[in-house]
Amino acid sequence: QSVLTQPPSASGTPGQRVTISCSGSSSNIGSNTVNWYQHFPGTAPKLLIYTNNQRPSGVPDRFSGSKSGTSASLAIGGLQSEDEADYYCAAWDDSLKAWVFGGGTKLTVL
Amino acid sequence: EVQLVESGGGLVQPGGSLRLSCAGYGFTLSTYWMSWVRQAPGKGLEWVANIKPDGSERYYVDSVKGRFTISRDNADNSLYLQMNSLGVDDTAVYYCARGGARSGYFLYWGQGTLVTVSS
Repeated sequence: QSVLTQPPSASGTPGQRVTISCSGSSSNIGSNTVNWYQHFPGTAPKLLIYTNNQRPSGVPDRFSGSKSGTSASLAIGGLQSEDEADYYCAAWDDSLKAWVFGGGTKLTVL
Repeated sequence: EVQLVESGGGLVQPGGSLRLSCAGYGFTLSTYWMSWVRQAPGKGLEWVANIKPDGSERYYVDSVKGRFTISRDNADNSLYLQMNSLGVDDTAVYYCARGGARSGYFLYWGQGTLVTVSS
C-alpha cells in the first residue's frame, strides 16, 4: 500500500488529453512539492515535472503538473504512442522523514 | 555530461550482505544530496535512503532501517549502500539518484544494478 495513491492504469487514444491523479495527505503533498517521473521498464526513470508544475529542459510542454491541497495531477496533452510508460508521483513526507512514491500508473495509448 | 554508474549487484543468499557503489561523473557529488531508489520485480519505485552533502544527515525507509547504511566518499565522487541481513523482499533493481533534499527532486539516475536475494 503506497502512501501516495495513484490509479493503477490510464489510457487514451493518440491526440487525446489524459490526466493522472495523485492523492496524499497533509504530511506529504500538503506540506511539500510534488515531482513526477516517467519510467520505461528496464531503463532509468526520468524526471518529468518538478516542484509541482515545472518542466526540466527537454520535456515537451504537452506534459504539465498541478497541485491543490493534498492532491496533485499530471496532464498529458496530444497523447503519442511513445508516451506509453509508467508514471509515478513523489513527495517528501515530513512525518515519515522519507520520500514517498505513488504506486505508479501504467499509461496505455490505444 | 552528468552520469551515475552503479555497481556491486548480484546474487546473494538470504541473511547475506552486499555493498552497492555509485560513481558520479560530470558533476561534483559533494554539493548534492544523493539517494538510492529501488524497484522490486513487478512493483513500483520505492525510495530507500538519502544522505546530505556532508554526510551529517541520513534517512531510510522503515523496511531497511538497522540493516542498510548509506554513505558517501566525496573525495572519490562516490555513493555507497551497505546492505546487511538481506531478505527475499530486498530483491530489486537499485538505482542511484542525484537529489533527495526535502524540497528537491531526482534529476539524474543511474541505469540500476540488480540485487537478487535467493537460496
